[in-house]
Amino acid sequence: NAGVMQNPRHLVRRRGQEARLRCSPMKGHSHVYWYRQLPEEGLKFMVYLQKENIIDESGMPKERFSAEFPKEGPSILRIQQVVRGDSAAYFCASSQSGTDKGEQYFGPGTRLTVT
Amino acid sequence: SQQGEEDPQALSIQEGENATMNCSYKTSINNLQWYRQNSGRGLVHLILIRSNEREKHSGRLRVTLDTSKKSSSLLITASRAADTASYFCASSNTGKLIFGQGTTLQVKP
Repeated sequence: NAGVMQNPRHLVRRRGQEARLRCSPMKGHSHVYWYRQLPEEGLKFMVYLQKENIIDESGMPKERFSAEFPKEGPSILRIQQVVRGDSAAYFCASSQSGTDKGEQYFGPGTRLTVT
Repeated sequence: SQQGEEDPQALSIQEGENATMNCSYKTSINNLQWYRQNSGRGLVHLILIRSNEREKHSGRLRVTLDTSKKSSSLLITASRAADTASYFCASSNTGKLIFGQGTTLQVKP
């Protein structure tokens, strides 16, 4: 049973370009969460999705950031017109249940560098 | 900020000693989870303790939870050099996890 998969593992973008980060949850998991980790800091919640629905996006910046989890395929975190401050590690997690009863399992992360 | 706090921020011990890390959180929770992160890597889930539990064990790990003080502790017994990593607590209420700032543990061989 493969764990949470994320790709790419490293992504370099110039200012103004778009970044697309992909996350495939663990088999049997229908709840996906995205977190961002700035250097030397803890993780901060961005968005919680279930298949085709955004459950909680309270941690998402109001502009340039969007997320989806379609019926088929991976979850996508999209950052438009990236700026240097977007440089961070972006982690995806998945859980079997969204009712706070289950563990969240994390992927290896995507390290975004904006030049 | 809803961010939790952990102390100490950094801990350095000798192999074989025990390591204790503390975590405080701000809101009511359904559960609290502890994770380990090796430098530049992803997070590894260690243990989950529910709000109605006071103590939980897993191998060399022991976690306590005091909901009246909104605090938790992680004890690693008989530490090994391979335990060197950052440790984070994360409280869960509405599905999302709220992480502490982490404790960096160094275990010297």
